[in-house]
Amino acid sequence: KQEVTQIPAALSVPEGENLVLNCSFTDSAIYNLQWFRQDPGKGLTSLLLIQSSQREQTSGRLNASLDKSSGRSTLYIAASQPGDSATYLCAVLFVNNTGKLIFGQGTTLQVKP
Amino acid sequence: ETGVTQTPRHLVMGMTNKKSLKCEQHLGHNAMYWYKQSAKKPLELMFVYNFKEQTENNSVPSRFSPECPNSSHLFLHLHTLQPEDSALYLCASSQATRNTEAFFGQGTRLTVV
Repeated sequence: KQEVTQIPAALSVPEGENLVLNCSFTDSAIYNLQWFRQDPGKGLTSLLLIQSSQREQTSGRLNASLDKSSGRSTLYIAASQPGDSATYLCAVLFVNNTGKLIFGQGTTLQVKP
Repeated sequence: ETGVTQTPRHLVMGMTNKKSLKCEQHLGHNAMYWYKQSAKKPLELMFVYNFKEQTENNSVPSRFSPECPNSSHLFLHLHTLQPEDSALYLCASSQATRNTEAFFGQGTRLTVV
């Protein structure tokens, strides 16, 4: 069964700290992996998309890495701010699941001023 | 105008009611999706439409009936729902069903009473 797991489920850090969110998946045959942000009661905002052939993607203070062979991705947030507080979701598009993103449970991040 | 727009944002309905959720995308994409997000569960795919044709039904009960009249519009018709169907329903679109980035709407918060 294809699954996506995110740890930790929740994280609280002081403002300014660098942090890493983890995502693991059970099958290395993927098209891509996408990181999303979700604010309470809202929809999903796409943060970064990493294609199967890529190792990392960067956008501002965010950096996502992909290691297909070990089935892992990390989202690195530099110099965290209170406005980064949200739930971060990892989603994988597996090769034999065309169009069907498989989501992790998410990591809820709180950045304290 | 945001890329993917969902209406209504909130809906309260009785178990005997019939209602519809609407999704519209302004991104020129060919694939559209319905996802369900229940409390404390990962996002779960319901339906996939590619070029207006349904390509995936993830074992969704028949009380949920999707409709895709064109590549820009997607509806979810609801009838005789149960309280456990209360959830956030999210619409998404992508250029294709493989290898492309998915964009989500803000969701409809549905409460069945």
